[in-house]
Amino acid sequence: SQTIHQWPATLVQPVGSPLSLECTVEGTSNPNLYWYRQAAGRGLQLLFYSVGIGQISSEVPQNLSASRPQDRQFILSSKKLLLSDSGFYLCAWRFPQGGEQYFGPGTRLTVT
Amino acid sequence: QKEVEQDPGPLSVPEGAIVSLNCTYSNSAFQYFMWYRQYSRKGPELLMYTYSSGNKEDGRFTAQVDKSSKYISLFIRDSQPSDSATYLCAMSPPGGGNKLTFGTGTQLKVEL
Repeated sequence: SQTIHQWPATLVQPVGSPLSLECTVEGTSNPNLYWYRQAAGRGLQLLFYSVGIGQISSEVPQNLSASRPQDRQFILSSKKLLLSDSGFYLCAWRFPQGGEQYFGPGTRLTVT
Repeated sequence: QKEVEQDPGPLSVPEGAIVSLNCTYSNSAFQYFMWYRQYSRKGPELLMYTYSSGNKEDGRFTAQVDKSSKYISLFIRDSQPSDSATYLCAMSPPGGGNKLTFGTGTQLKVEL
């Protein structure tokens, strides 16, 4: 069976500091990978998705970036965090041919 | 107008009640429909996935899709306090697509 991991679970960072969130998937190969942000009362916002190593599509222009250095690893980064970057960050995966997505446990980021 | 509309609730029901959760959508291209359950401070968990009109049943859960009315429902029979969570609907066009469109979620509370 497949499992998805995210870390850290919670993070408190000052404004202007860098960010690196990591997501890994086990039990499958060549998954599609996704980064979402969930703000209270605003639903899920797709930030980035990747269909393969080194292939990143950005959905929302912002000071975040994503990378996929390995088949089952997806990283969300920022060089300088803003207060508005606070939120609940979710990684998800799906089979290349599938429709449904499976979510990780999330990282709660607070920028102070 | 949002592509997917979902009543945010909160919806409060007594234990044992039948719960009906609903979403309407405007994009007739949507062919894949999902329901996720999200507990507080956790990642969404896939409950039901369907790509056809009609009903799909899994234990106490039934997903219903009416493409002609652009309306989907999730029914929970014999509701339990452990069903208290936020329920998100999501949908995508044929072939899955890399972009799921989510509702904002309905908060459900099942009381003893």
